Amino acid sequence: TQLLEQSPQFLSIQEGENLTVYCNSSSVFSSLQWYRQEPGEGPVLLVTVVTGGEVKKLKRLTFQFGDARKDSSLHITAAQPGDTGLYLCAENTGGFKTIFGAGTRLFVKA
Amino acid sequence: DAGVIQSPRHEVTEMGQEVTLRCKPISGHNSLFWYRQTMMRGLELLIYFNNNVPIDDSGMPEDRFSAKMPNASFSTLKIQPSEPRDSAVYFCASVSGQNYGYTFGSGTRLTVV
Repeated sequence: TQLLEQSPQFLSIQEGENLTVYCNSSSVFSSLQWYRQEPGEGPVLLVTVVTGGEVKKLKRLTFQFGDARKDSSLHITAAQPGDTGLYLCAENTGGFKTIFGAGTRLFVKA
Repeated sequence: DAGVIQSPRHEVTEMGQEVTLRCKPISGHNSLFWYRQTMMRGLELLIYFNNNVPIDDSGMPEDRFSAKMPNASFSTLKIQPSEPRDSAVYFCASVSGQNYGYTFGSGTRLTVV
């Protein structure tokens, strides 16, 4: 069974700081998604990565897929209070079935 | 597009009562998923449908849970009888065949007392 481990579980930082959160798998990803979930809402898709070594940027967010496709990272530059939320990585295991990690809960203080 | 629509947003019920959660997926999306989220267990896949047909219900906790998708624009998740341990946020999500990422609804927060 594919397991996704996310670290850290919780992160509290000041506005303007940089941070990186990680997602690791027990086996090779076919594709990986990152979502952000705000309180009281459902997760919202940020990005999908498919190719080993792939790097994607979304404004201040940089997503990297490991060369061996067993790990991924999300780096946020100059974090803002609006970045506060639960960051989830997820993997499609076939037939559109997706499993989710437990998430990193980020709190950015103004 | 209004996105994935779930109702109700909140539901409080007494143990033993029947609960029905509803979902309208995005038009044109041919796969629909029901997830449950708790602090302890995170997001758990309960069941998913492809072209209105249940494909994998291995995540459904027990016989008290059932789900239907009578047409492409509507699905229900029913719990009968409900128990306090069923308290969670239940999400519906849909995806088109061309995209890996899901679109989630805003969820139904269920509290069973």
